[in-house]
Amino acid sequence: TQLLEQSPQFLSIQEGENLTVYCNSSSVFSSLQWYRQEPGEGPVLLVTVVTGGEVKKLKRLTFQFGDARKDSSLHITAAQPGDTGLYLCAGGYQKVTFGTGTKLQVIP
Amino acid sequence: GAVVSQHPSRVICKSGTSVKIECRSLDFQATTMFWYRQFPKQSLMLMATSNEGSKATYEQGVEKDKFLINHASLTLSTLTVTSAHPEDSSFYICSALGTSGYEQYFGPGTRLTVT
Repeated sequence: TQLLEQSPQFLSIQEGENLTVYCNSSSVFSSLQWYRQEPGEGPVLLVTVVTGGEVKKLKRLTFQFGDARKDSSLHITAAQPGDTGLYLCAGGYQKVTFGTGTKLQVIP
Repeated sequence: GAVVSQHPSRVICKSGTSVKIECRSLDFQATTMFWYRQFPKQSLMLMATSNEGSKATYEQGVEKDKFLINHASLTLSTLTVTSAHPEDSSFYICSALGTSGYEQYFGPGTRLTVT
């Protein structure tokens, strides 16, 4: 069974701060996706990374896929209250495995 | 594009009754859809993979006779919770697999409460 561990589990920061969320596994994944989920809603896809070492940017969010394709990170610059939510990484092709989740709260 | 809807968004039912949840891909065809269950403050737990025109594949520990899945068309999959009990109360989310095979597009979820 492929497992994806996310850290930290919870994060509460002030508006304007930077943060990094990690997604780690002992297994190699063909791809990794990052999703954000708000309470009472389904997850929304943010990005897919496929190539080892790949870096993708989405405005203030920077996603990196590890060289060995076993881990990924999400870095948020100058966090805003609108970034609050549950961040989930997910790995695999077709049937994916979801990470344990990181609940982020950005305080105005 | 890639919009997935779920209906109903919330449902309350009595113990022993059955509830059907619909998942539709609105602007694309999805041969594969997934059903997840999510407990408060936790990640998503895959229940089953729904393939159009064939039987669903259930994850270990998920009762196929209790959670009936039907994927009758390329845009619709249904999950029926039969003989519901309070412990079935949860947030159920479906997703449709995109054409790349990597990305899933999620519905808004259905909050089921069994009294």
